[in-house]
Amino acid sequence: AQSVTQLDSQVPVFEEAPVELRCNYSSSVSVYLFWYVQYPNQGLQLLLKYLSGSTLVKGINGFEAEFNKSQTSFHLRKPSVHISDTAEYFCAVRPPGNQFYFGTGTSLTVIP
Amino acid sequence: DAGVIQSPRHEVTEMGQEVTLRCKPISGHNSLFWYRQTMMRGLELLIYFNNNVPIDDSGMPEDRFSAKMPNASFSTLKIQPSEPRDSAVYFCASSPWTSGEETQYFGPGTRLLVL
Repeated sequence: AQSVTQLDSQVPVFEEAPVELRCNYSSSVSVYLFWYVQYPNQGLQLLLKYLSGSTLVKGINGFEAEFNKSQTSFHLRKPSVHISDTAEYFCAVRPPGNQFYFGTGTSLTVIP
Repeated sequence: DAGVIQSPRHEVTEMGQEVTLRCKPISGHNSLFWYRQTMMRGLELLIYFNNNVPIDDSGMPEDRFSAKMPNASFSTLKIQPSEPRDSAVYFCASSPWTSGEETQYFGPGTRLLVL
């Protein structure tokens, strides 16, 4: 069985400060890993994904995430956030050929 | 490509009425997912199809909910009769299944309000 835990439901951060959104997962098989972003009143958009290869993955809007197999984590980071980064962020895992499993989301609020 | 298309974008109905939500997946994608999002329960997978066949409908809350995918380019989610607790945003998403491109693409959602 698969599960995804996003440890922080809400993260407030000042503009231009760094941020890390945490994601841990549990799976009995290898999985692909994803981060999605949802802006207010919109659908989810892919931010970045890890399928294989380098454990440091770079995505859109300056975000990056690092896959840590031993800690079963896939934390999302950005060195300097902008007001426009205020959104809900979802971590997800997908065993190949299977459905997606989403975390409960982290609400990032960037404070001017 | 136009992306995943959902209609209607907003629906307001009265309790007891039938509601039908529609989804057109991205051309060439052979898996389709229906999700429901609420403040209380977050994002829930209701059902997903692979090659038009329902694979897992364990997330469908009860018999009032049904979903169909008559062909590769169209799916419906029906609620009959609707209840106020069904109020939520319903998302459709599509994905290639085993091509190696594992990303799921979401539609803009249907915001449903049942009075």
